Amino acid sequence: ETGVTQSPTHLIKTRGQQVTLRCSSQSGHNTVSWYQQALGQGPQFIFQYYREEENGRGNFPPRFSGLQFPNYSSELNVNALELDDSALYLCASSLAALGVGYGYTFGSGTRLTVV
Amino acid sequence: TQLLEQSPQFLSIQEGENLTVYCNSSSVFSSLQWYRQEPGEGPVLLVTVVTGGEVKKLKRLTFQFGDARKDSSLHITAAQPGDTGLYLCAGGQGGNQFYFGTGTSLTVIP
Repeated sequence: ETGVTQSPTHLIKTRGQQVTLRCSSQSGHNTVSWYQQALGQGPQFIFQYYREEENGRGNFPPRFSGLQFPNYSSELNVNALELDDSALYLCASSLAALGVGYGYTFGSGTRLTVV
Repeated sequence: TQLLEQSPQFLSIQEGENLTVYCNSSSVFSSLQWYRQEPGEGPVLLVTVVTGGEVKKLKRLTFQFGDARKDSSLHITAAQPGDTGLYLCAGGQGGNQFYFGTGTSLTVIP
């Protein structure tokens, strides 16, 4: 059983650029959630994808967008990068059928630095 | 605005000591989870509690969900250096997201 893999592990971008982060979910999981974790903070929910559709969104602007593919892998896209977007971006997969009590399996994250 | 507040924020103790981490909110949660995160890694799920008053034990770790399902605690007995990490609580309210706490950074000194 493979875990959640994210790529790249580290990334440096310039303010105003666009970035795409990728995530392969754990085998058998059909739901992917993305979180942003600023230094010294707990993760903040960006959005969730289920059956290739956005299935809930946190308090993030529209320049944060995503995709889920038929194999349940996912992408997070951020346009017009700002300095405050510097953070660890975490992808978490889960199995929707198990309900809200079932926890996430997180990837190791992508560390994004915007300069 | 953080729905879940954790205390203490930082904790440094000697190996063998006991400790308790608290996770508090004014909101009710249908489930509460605890994760441990090590530097450069994603959080790893330790436990899920769903019933008010529920107590779960995982070796030296004891987790309790408050009767009103607004708070939780994590107690570690005889801490070891391998327990070092960031401990995060996360609450679910039946929707699509979990609300994470501010985290407690634990250092266990050999």
